[in-house]
Amino acid sequence: DIQMTQSPSSLSASVGDKVTISCRASQNINTYLNWYQQKPGKAPKLLIYVASSLQSGVPSRFSGSRSGTDFTLTVSSLQPEDSATYYCQQSYNMPYTFGQGTKLEIK
Amino acid sequence: EVQLVQSAGGLVQPGGSLRLSCAASGFTFNSFSMNWVRQAPGKGLEWVAYISSSSSPIYYADSVKGRFTISRDNAKNSLHLQMNSLTDEDTAVYYCATDITGAGQHWGQGSLVTVSS
Repeated sequence: DIQMTQSPSSLSASVGDKVTISCRASQNINTYLNWYQQKPGKAPKLLIYVASSLQSGVPSRFSGSRSGTDFTLTVSSLQPEDSATYYCQQSYNMPYTFGQGTKLEIK
Repeated sequence: EVQLVQSAGGLVQPGGSLRLSCAASGFTFNSFSMNWVRQAPGKGLEWVAYISSSSSPIYYADSVKGRFTISRDNAKNSLHLQMNSLTDEDTAVYYCATDITGAGQHWGQGSLVTVSS
């Protein structure tokens, strides 16, 4: 199975900050990497698919990038409503696997 | 508007069975693959099962293989997950989700399954 390693596991940042969350795949997954936002008690919400495509309706301050097996989710200017847990997921092959999550707190 | 409305979960004894359903509307259900994903209390997301638009192929996580069965009824726009031989490790919120190149584009509201005696 492909292992997805996210870092950091948690972070705290201020409104307006630029924030990056990393995700590393244990093997090549091409661009089959998706990012989700999950708030407590809610279903996950798709933010980015195939590494860098912004899901419809998601604010443009969210972006994704790839360098080999390393992927990054960037929030360009943090907003209060961005407080959530973020997950990466590979869909290159089965079984689909998720990172362990990054909890983002707003200071 | 795309909607995935899940059945209520429930409390089931170890070794018992439960069937979850997911009713789809607002999109062409028979054109989309579907997934079940679960989340144990306080834990991360775990993919459970996948079914293609035509019901073949089907894939399962090793943790549920041989115990869970994913199925769909395209005529009724519904997705199902039959769960047998449940253990306390199956306690989780279960979500159905559409599959777009492997990404979960739309999600149900979740069904809480609690396995306990």
